[in-house]
Amino acid sequence: GAVVSQHPSWVICKSGTSVKIECRSLDFQATTMFWYRQFPKQSLMLMATSNEGSKATYEQGVEKDKFLINHASLTLSTLTVTSAHPEDSSFYICSARDGTSGVPYEQYFGPGTRLTVT
Amino acid sequence: QQQVKQSPQSLIVQKGGISIINCAYENTAFDYFPWYQQFPGKGPALLIAIRPDVSEKKEGRFTISFNKSAKQFSLHIMDSQPGDSATYFCAASRDTGFQKLVFGTGTRLLVSP
Repeated sequence: GAVVSQHPSWVICKSGTSVKIECRSLDFQATTMFWYRQFPKQSLMLMATSNEGSKATYEQGVEKDKFLINHASLTLSTLTVTSAHPEDSSFYICSARDGTSGVPYEQYFGPGTRLTVT
Repeated sequence: QQQVKQSPQSLIVQKGGISIINCAYENTAFDYFPWYQQFPGKGPALLIAIRPDVSEKKEGRFTISFNKSAKQFSLHIMDSQPGDSATYFCAASRDTGFQKLVFGTGTRLLVSP
């Protein structure tokens, strides 16, 4: 149980285009979802947190107009990188928390999406 | 105060040996301390987690030791195997708001055959 999927697993796009990444909780209701980015050999950096049906809360320094997050349902959140540039190339990972279960805190991570902007 | 400091940055252990990774935190409001294992190109996976009401938790070959007064916690991997070679992250969270995780900087473990 507690499986989180991401799609696509990797994507290459041209500079200036937009890319959408999907994050789905497959067997539980994700009341809260988190988006992280990870550069090679570095730790995970939290970008934003979203609750279903609410606007995302962005971490300091993360451009909300560039990284659009939508948490439209209890099983789906999307991250859209708008007008992508080579410096946006990174590994994007989502996680989800089941706020309806008796297990607090625990986040279930997706497999990640490798974005390369050329 | 939100940082979690992790050491060492990298670690080489012989097969069958004990791998030890340490983390320290400043924020006494943290009350959930998980460890994650990440293989290259994959998302992190929860290994084991502890709450501050216990000083040790063991699951199979993995043990967390927690020292509340020193604000430190560590991961011990007993009988380390080549398949354990991965990057390990400690993290901390508090029971308010979104319960966001604060991650350590990671430790790259290599278990030599």
